[in-house]
Amino acid sequence: GQQLNQSPQSMFIQEGEDVSMNCTSSSIFNTWLWYKQDPGEGPVLLIALYKAGELTSNGRLTAQFGTTRKDSFLNISASIPSDVGIYFCAGPGGADGLTFGKGTHLIIQP
Amino acid sequence: NAGVTQTPKFQVLKTGQSMTLQCAQDMNHEYMSWYRQDPGMGLRLIHYSVGAGITDQGEVPNGYNVSRSTTEDFPLRLLSAAPSQTSVYFCASSYMSSGNTIYFGEGSWLTVV
Repeated sequence: GQQLNQSPQSMFIQEGEDVSMNCTSSSIFNTWLWYKQDPGEGPVLLIALYKAGELTSNGRLTAQFGTTRKDSFLNISASIPSDVGIYFCAGPGGADGLTFGKGTHLIIQP
Repeated sequence: NAGVTQTPKFQVLKTGQSMTLQCAQDMNHEYMSWYRQDPGMGLRLIHYSVGAGITDQGEVPNGYNVSRSTTEDFPLRLLSAAPSQTSVYFCASSYMSSGNTIYFGEGSWLTVV
């Protein structure tokens, strides 16, 4: 089935910095989804992308569907403490449902 | 505003015991699924269902059973718990499968000793 490679694995940043993470797949996707998981909670959908080249914003978050349809990027501008968590990319899975990347842990240092 | 509800939130089992994780959704979603989350492994699909009476295996189905007698409920059964099943389990649902946005429950933390 499809494999998603998400990077970086973890990020240690200062409050106020911008964040950029990406996800690549072994095959072409028609949909890219970005989820955030707060500690002790389930993942929550942040942004959904359905078209190659699409750029979508949700407040300080911006995600893009790569033109090759094998990658996607998530950027967070001016990070704040509540941005801490694990960010997952996801796309259509081989066994139905979704295939998830292994996540990017975002840690904001005081 | 319930969405996807999972119970219990926390459970400790002894090796060999059986138990059922409950999942219910009130959004009339056709598609429901169970994932497990382990450190460094991300979320892996255990079983899924595309509608009442229909279930199928995901990536890591061994040691788990599911059933879908109603649209709302999708319980996950551990037949004989093993320490390797210590994990966080998430139930999820969506209107349709594969590529559509899915909504997760809050998770069930299971420890098998």
